[in-house]
Amino acid sequence: DGGITQSPKYLFRKEGQNVTLSCEQNLNHDAMYWYRQDPGQGLRLIYYSQIVNDFQKGDIAEGYSVSREKKESFPLTVTSAQKNPTAFYLCASSPQGRGSGYTFGSGTRLTVV
Amino acid sequence: AQTVTQSQPEMSVQEAETVTLSCTYDTSESDYYLFWYKQPPSRQMILVIRQEAYKQQNATENRFSVNFQKAAKSFSLKISDSQLGDAAMYFCAYRSASMDSNYQLIWGAGTKLIIKP
Repeated sequence: DGGITQSPKYLFRKEGQNVTLSCEQNLNHDAMYWYRQDPGQGLRLIYYSQIVNDFQKGDIAEGYSVSREKKESFPLTVTSAQKNPTAFYLCASSPQGRGSGYTFGSGTRLTVV
Repeated sequence: AQTVTQSQPEMSVQEAETVTLSCTYDTSESDYYLFWYKQPPSRQMILVIRQEAYKQQNATENRFSVNFQKAAKSFSLKISDSQLGDAAMYFCAYRSASMDSNYQLIWGAGTKLIIKP
């Protein structure tokens, strides 16, 4: 079945470390997105990409980086510059059709230890 | 810029009864799409229902239906015969039909739905 796979499900980061969250989709969707969700909060857009080798900053891009070398993959790196990285991270994808909703992965819970 | 407002942080309903979640949005556009997503305790985001702004008929998916009032910019979700599995956060979202928007979803803050057995 087609879908989005996020890994790992849980991730622990030490202070000063960079960590990378994986997001892979086999839906042949052009666009991919990364969101951050804090407890009891809504979704905040970190980065998005509409085509391979191109991506744009969202509302809270500071301390994060991404790449889009393949259509299927959109990894997110949480750098040491992100001072409060503990959160739930969701990856999503959508086709370029105007009325398309997003398909989401199951998320990664990142905790700083 | 478009905004989406969900004015009810939390709602509760007795099992088997009907509940309506509110969503209003602000836009100057005439062509757009509206969505309701459900996020259960597993935190997986699930698309519940979708509405096209140029369609007057309200969308329906089994026990879920919407009341779309374009002039009032209102998009409420009605859940009939509420079940324990409906307990979740519900998010309303707006997507412009304009290419200038990059087709991004604009999200409301969410409503937590509690189902009382």
